Amino acid sequence: DAGITQSPRHKVTETGTPVTLRCHQTENHRYMYWYRQDPGHGLRLIHYSYGVKDTDKGEVSDGYSVSRSKTEDFLLTLESATSSQTSVYFCAISIAVIGPRVDEQFFGPGTRLTVL
Amino acid sequence: QKEVEQNSGPLSVPEGAIASLNCTYSDRGSQSFFWYRQYSGKSPELIMFIYSNGDKEDGRFTAQLNKASQYVSLLIRDSQPSDSATYLCAVKGYGGATNKLIFGTGTLLAVQP
Repeated sequence: DAGITQSPRHKVTETGTPVTLRCHQTENHRYMYWYRQDPGHGLRLIHYSYGVKDTDKGEVSDGYSVSRSKTEDFLLTLESATSSQTSVYFCAISIAVIGPRVDEQFFGPGTRLTVL
Repeated sequence: QKEVEQNSGPLSVPEGAIASLNCTYSDRGSQSFFWYRQYSGKSPELIMFIYSNGDKEDGRFTAQLNKASQYVSLLIRDSQPSDSATYLCAVKGYGGATNKLIFGTGTLLAVQP
């Protein structure tokens, strides 16, 4: 899993509850990403980060916020969880910093989130 | 809308055969192409990447890129039951923000013993 850990690995919560998912990496990689994976939709980018305090929106960012106060941690927050946010969430990193291989992304083990 | 399309399958092949997986993309300026393998309940694993036209071979895997026709293929030779998984195609668009990949929905491959 490219030295990436995600926590929690499984979570069940109720609608309207705030939820924070954590992605942790130990190699000081610059680029980090949050995706969600749903049947029929594949992997979709939620937010990404290109450095400490530098983040940007992805394709499906509504209802999600992120923070990166340290290189090693990238947090994804659902301010008020909804049933439509039930999904598997993957964190990913890019190992390279420059050149064509910077586009290669490596994924963490995932977090399965259920919103009741 | 930039899109990456794959046949969802399942693609069923006998053990030892060649499995051929295809992916089409809509952004003509796309420059980087990736194949990921995902076992059920696991995270995607990068298995091939290709940046220029033509073929790239790595062991039993060959990636073929045809920019004129806007498709990329993954061939798996001597398919094994352990190759049974979902294969995701990903494309880096031209002019987009750094490192953004667009993923297809994946093709399920079933290798029959």
